[in-house]
Amino acid sequence: EAQVTQNPRYLITVTGKKLTVTCSQNMNHEYMSWYRQDPGLGLRQIYYSMNVEVTDKGDVPEGYKVSRKEKRNFPLILESPSPNQTSLYFCASSLKGGGTEAFFGQGTRLTVV
Amino acid sequence: AQSVTQLGSHVSVSEGALVLLRCNYSSSVPPYLFWYVQYPNQGLQLLLKYTTGATLVKGINGFEAEFKKSETSFHLTKPSAHMSDAAEYFCAVSVKSGTYKYIFGTGTRLKVLA
Repeated sequence: EAQVTQNPRYLITVTGKKLTVTCSQNMNHEYMSWYRQDPGLGLRQIYYSMNVEVTDKGDVPEGYKVSRKEKRNFPLILESPSPNQTSLYFCASSLKGGGTEAFFGQGTRLTVV
Repeated sequence: AQSVTQLGSHVSVSEGALVLLRCNYSSSVPPYLFWYVQYPNQGLQLLLKYTTGATLVKGINGFEAEFKKSETSFHLTKPSAHMSDAAEYFCAVSVKSGTYKYIFGTGTRLKVLA
């Protein structure tokens, strides 16, 4: 089954404790991205990757890191999480960018206390 | 720069009534336009998309949208609402200009009243 898998689904952590949210897709897609969803703000892009070893900032990259060492994986790293990073996070992939459909993971609800 | 505006963060309709969710976009180049639906505790899934060609696009679950370049709009409609349509709907734009990027609207939560 074609899917984007994120882990964990729920995470509560403390300020400053490094964490990684994993994302994996099994569709051989080139394009992957991370979004955060906040009430009233919709989805805002954090980082995206056009292919292996090619990443770029989205609209809200501060406080986040990503890497794309393999085509299927695109982890999101919070080196020093802060309460304002409490949000619902989605990973998405598409065959290419542009006019191709984006497939979304189930989301990771992160709470930073 | 591209942007998407969804009018109405909450829309309520009666079961069987017309659903109309509004989306206006701004783009300096021809856009790709999408509607996604998000059910509770789930990720987004594609309802329909416009790339090129026919401006009236049909999607899943009886939804359709019409691309109107002169009005820079891509409104989503469904003739008869079902209870199962209750969800949050997002309009998105992507443009073919160098690297691709999706820009999402702020979403419209649809409530269907029995």
